[in-house]
Amino acid sequence: GAVVSQHPSWVICKSGTSVKIECRSLDFQATTMFWYRQFPKQSLMLMATSNEGSKATYEQGVEKDKFLINHASLTLSTLTVTSAHPEDSSFYICSASRGATDTQYFGPGTRLTVL
Amino acid sequence: DQQVKQNSPSLSVQEGRISILNCDYTNSMFDYFLWYKKYPAEGPTFLISISSIKDKNEDGRFTVFLNKSAKHLSLHIVPSQPGDSAVYFCAAASDGGTSYGKLTFGQGTILTVHP
Repeated sequence: GAVVSQHPSWVICKSGTSVKIECRSLDFQATTMFWYRQFPKQSLMLMATSNEGSKATYEQGVEKDKFLINHASLTLSTLTVTSAHPEDSSFYICSASRGATDTQYFGPGTRLTVL
Repeated sequence: DQQVKQNSPSLSVQEGRISILNCDYTNSMFDYFLWYKKYPAEGPTFLISISSIKDKNEDGRFTVFLNKSAKHLSLHIVPSQPGDSAVYFCAAASDGGTSYGKLTFGQGTILTVHP
């Protein structure tokens, strides 16, 4: 199979703090990982694409200094929401693929609530 | 600008009948289309895909139809089962240019299959 995990599954934090979300491919090597966010009743919006060992490519309108992405190994990518604010509250989902155009396998998502 | 649209937020179907989920797109550069299924608190799981060189792809109970001239695709589930109840997302991608590998999702349609 192709299993992707995320940790934590949910997190509540105070405004101004930073939160790190991990995305792991458990049984395959993920050359490419994608980070999405989903607001209630809306579609998944791609935030950034990361390739192992290189800098992430951010979508237009996504602040790279606020959403720090690190893809240091073929099985792990992290998303850090820095100085979180209530408007950052959302459902963050990662996906992983063996190559940029291969099938994307999604993690279960992380629910972030910023108070 | 919503490039992929699922205009029906929900669909209710009787067990054994056909479920038809619709999706429209506006970007003529899209040449690969996918359907994902998502249960609550889980990430999307890949169902079926279709390339723009085809107009139909079938996999068991699931068939996807593509009408390029109308920029429309649909997912047919026959026969529908209660376990099919989930949110269904269509997604589109283009194989070239700067959008290589990037998926653009629709808003999703909640399918409920009644026993």
